[in-house]
Amino acid sequence: AQKVTQAQTEISVVEKEDVTLDCVYETRDTTYYLFWYKQPPSGELVFLIRRNSFDEQNEISGRYSWNFQKSTSSFNFTITASQVVDSAVYFCALSEDAGGTSYGKLTFGQGTILTVHP
Amino acid sequence: DADVTQTPRNRITKTGKRIMLECSQTKGHDRMYWYRQDPGLGLRLIYYSFDVKDINKGEISDGYSVSRQAQAKFSLSLESAIPNQTALYFCATSDSRNGGAKETQYFGPGTRLLVL
Repeated sequence: AQKVTQAQTEISVVEKEDVTLDCVYETRDTTYYLFWYKQPPSGELVFLIRRNSFDEQNEISGRYSWNFQKSTSSFNFTITASQVVDSAVYFCALSEDAGGTSYGKLTFGQGTILTVHP
Repeated sequence: DADVTQTPRNRITKTGKRIMLECSQTKGHDRMYWYRQDPGLGLRLIYYSFDVKDINKGEISDGYSVSRQAQAKFSLSLESAIPNQTALYFCATSDSRNGGAKETQYFGPGTRLLVL
């Protein structure tokens, strides 16, 4: 069974600090996808990134970067020079083929609440 | 305009009442999903639909039912609401042309439901 663990329940930083959100996953599949979503205080879920299990290259998008390491089953998310607008709940999620049905069942971690203080 | 819309955005109801949450999408996706979010538990899948005639239970379907009226519309019903169904409900869509696990799910704005 697939599982996603976000051990950090809450993180509090001061603006301009760098912050890393941890995500550890469990899966038996060799082909799977990892996602990060952001949930700002307004409540909607915003898709940030999708990564497949065959691509371990790190990805950078502006102040956001993602570090995927299959050896440790981790897909960590770093925000550089954090800003108040980064305050949100961040969810890591895992998708794998469900017995050949071609449906990617999305399993979410519990979420990490990030608060960036001015 | 938003690609995935949910109505209502907020709802207060009483125990035992039947309520319906609606989801519409303009993304042209064939797959739709209903999740609920509870504090500390992340999001859990209630039902999902591959197309109009294909509806499947998720991990927490008890007490819920769904209807896929058209490719663009997917509604969630609570037949007899109870207080532990108080939660934030999300609808999501994905495109099977990006088939399998790599499909990205796009979420609606959510519906906050309070059952008294």
